Amino acid sequence: QVQLVESGGGVVQPGGSLRLSCAAAGFTLSGYGMHWVRQAPGKGLEWVAFIRNDGNKNYYADSVKGRFTISRDNSRNTLYLQMSSLSTDDTAVYYCAKDFGQATGHFDYWGQGTLVTVSS
Amino acid sequence: EIVLTQSPATLSLSPGQRATLSCRASQSIRSYLAWYQQKPGQAPRLLIYDASNRASGIPARFSGSGSATDFTLTISSLEPEDFAVYYCQQRSNWPPITFGQGTRLEI
Repeated sequence: QVQLVESGGGVVQPGGSLRLSCAAAGFTLSGYGMHWVRQAPGKGLEWVAFIRNDGNKNYYADSVKGRFTISRDNSRNTLYLQMSSLSTDDTAVYYCAKDFGQATGHFDYWGQGTLVTVSS
Repeated sequence: EIVLTQSPATLSLSPGQRATLSCRASQSIRSYLAWYQQKPGQAPRLLIYDASNRASGIPARFSGSGSATDFTLTISSLEPEDFAVYYCQQRSNWPPITFGQGTRLEI
C-alpha cells in the first residue's frame, strides 16, 4: 500500500532554514508528480510546491517562491523541501502528497505531516 | 488565482441525515474539482476527483456533482465517522492549486 512519511520538522528561528523529507513506499515514485501542502495551526490547506515525476519541472506558490526549493531523489524514493528565510507565517504542518499522475493537480495520497514551528 | 468559496462554514446535522456542501469558483474550472475530508489530527483524504468521480475505497454515500463554477458534495445518509472538515480544491490552469476555506460538518 502507498505510504508517505515526512520528517525533518522542528523549531527554527526566524530567518533560519530547514529541510523536510518525505519517504515514499508502495508505488514507483518516478512515475508520479509530488507536492507539498501546508496547514497553519487551526487554518485551512495551502498548496506550496510541485515537482514533476522526472524532476525537470517545478512550481511554487507565490508565498514561498525564491525561499523554498522542492527536489526529489527517485533512486532513494524520497521527496525534499528545502526551506530558507523562514518567517512565523511559515509555521504549519507540512504534508507531502502524491499526484494522481505526472501532473494532474489532484492528490490521491497524503503523508501524516511534519510540524514546522518558526519562533524566536 | 482562482478563489474557491465554500458554504456553509459550519453545518450541524445528525446521523442518518443528508448533507449538502457547496463550493463556488471565482471563474470556470470545468470539472477540475476535488473534495477532501479531514478529521482532527489526520491528513486529508481524497473523496471525489474531477467533480463526480469517487476515489478508491470511498463509500457510495459520498457523491459529487457540478461543473464550471458551482459544485456540490452530497453525503446521502450521515454516519458518525463522517463528521469532519471538508475542503474543495481546484486544478484548472494551475499553478497555483487552490483550496476552499473548508466546511465543518458537526453533530
